[in-house]
Amino acid sequence: GQQVMQIPQYQHVQEGEDFTTYCNSSTTLSNIQWYKQRPGGHPVFLIQLVKSGEVKKQKRLTFQFGEAKKNSSLHITATQTTDVGTYFCAGPTGNQFYFGTGTSLTVIP
Amino acid sequence: DTAVSQTPKYLVTQMGNDKSIKCEQNLGHDTMYWYKQDSKKFLKIMFSYNNKELIINETVPNRFSPKSPDKAHLNLHINSLELGDSAVYFCASSQLAGGNEQFFGPGTRLTVL
Repeated sequence: GQQVMQIPQYQHVQEGEDFTTYCNSSTTLSNIQWYKQRPGGHPVFLIQLVKSGEVKKQKRLTFQFGEAKKNSSLHITATQTTDVGTYFCAGPTGNQFYFGTGTSLTVIP
Repeated sequence: DTAVSQTPKYLVTQMGNDKSIKCEQNLGHDTMYWYKQDSKKFLKIMFSYNNKELIINETVPNRFSPKSPDKAHLNLHINSLELGDSAVYFCASSQLAGGNEQFFGPGTRLTVL
């Protein structure tokens, strides 16, 4: 069946270090969305990419959508303690919608 | 004003009971969803409704029954609760079906004893 996997599952970084999470889908996605969930909170939409090969930036966050529209990445430059949380990719394929398995980021001050 | 609200926030109940979780959105969105998040934080879509009609119905036990009385509400009723139903349930909404930005409610933490 359809799967959207993310690696790594957990990541601990020192404050100031960079962080990257990778998202891989077994099928082509119409678009890719990224969400952030703070501990104890709910997922909050960050961004959507639609075009093959698209790259978008939000301050220290850089998002990429793969050429085949089956993978994506989120890179955070110089992490801060406010970046703590779980990052999910998500996207539709056909009339279904799937969330990735998530990457939990811990930032050590 | 809360965009997507859920009640209750916490629900503790015994195995075998029937319970409901309510969800309301005031964003004027056409599509609403129910998700289950387990202890490993995996988020799995359960149901999706567009204009009160079911459009996604993932493989969930038929003990779970969604009901959408109108576009702004999507309630989840669970019969004969089991231990494995313990999880956080999130309601969400989006402008349209088919992969728009989703707005999530605060979640309902269900504990089945």
